[in-house]
Amino acid sequence: DIVMTQSPLFLPVTPGEAASISCRSSQSLLHSSGYNYLDWYLQKPGQPPQLLIYLGSNRASGVPDRFSGSGSGTDFTLKISRVEADDVGVYYCMQGLQTPPTFGQGTKLES
Amino acid sequence: QVHLVQSGAEVKKPGSSVKVSCKASGGSFSRYTISWVRQARGQGLEWMGRIIAIAGIENYAQKFQGRLTITADRSTGIVYMELSSLTFEDTAMYYCARDVSIPSAPVHHWFDPWGQGTLVTVSS
Repeated sequence: DIVMTQSPLFLPVTPGEAASISCRSSQSLLHSSGYNYLDWYLQKPGQPPQLLIYLGSNRASGVPDRFSGSGSGTDFTLKISRVEADDVGVYYCMQGLQTPPTFGQGTKLES
Repeated sequence: QVHLVQSGAEVKKPGSSVKVSCKASGGSFSRYTISWVRQARGQGLEWMGRIIAIAGIENYAQKFQGRLTITADRSTGIVYMELSSLTFEDTAMYYCARDVSIPSAPVHHWFDPWGQGTLVTVSS
């Protein structure tokens, strides 16, 4: 299985500041289609995960443009340009290149 | 707008089975692929398997082969996840989620939306 490694695991932030989460995969996630098969999810406290970013850099419907995904191959980054109080929770990256899809350990964003 | 609603919490004894349902509303159920993902308390996310409803084809993570069964009832729009031979390590929140894909990015599915989750507790 492809191993996903996130850093940091805990990220204290102040509202209004920027935040960045790194995700590395044990194999390249760049598919021959040209897409990176990497997604980002946010799990707010007491809620199921919700999709933020798919195929590396595409924001899901309703996701504010404060969130952006970048990277290619094995190194990816989720950036929040200006953190808001509602952004707290655990952020997960997930690879979809191989079955089973696998998730990173999660990064807990705390304000 | 697709919405997934799961059945309620379950308490089961070791060695028994649990069956959790996931009802999809909105859209055409027969076109859905539904995955199951579980999360032990305070832990990360683990994909268990999926079903392609229109074809009745299932894929299971190797870890769950032999004790996981995912089925779909197209007449009711309900997907079921049944896990047998339960152990204490199966205590977790179980989520269903719709697989989404696009033709230009074959093979890859992302998950949107997710059900609200069903807590399964294995206790003697």
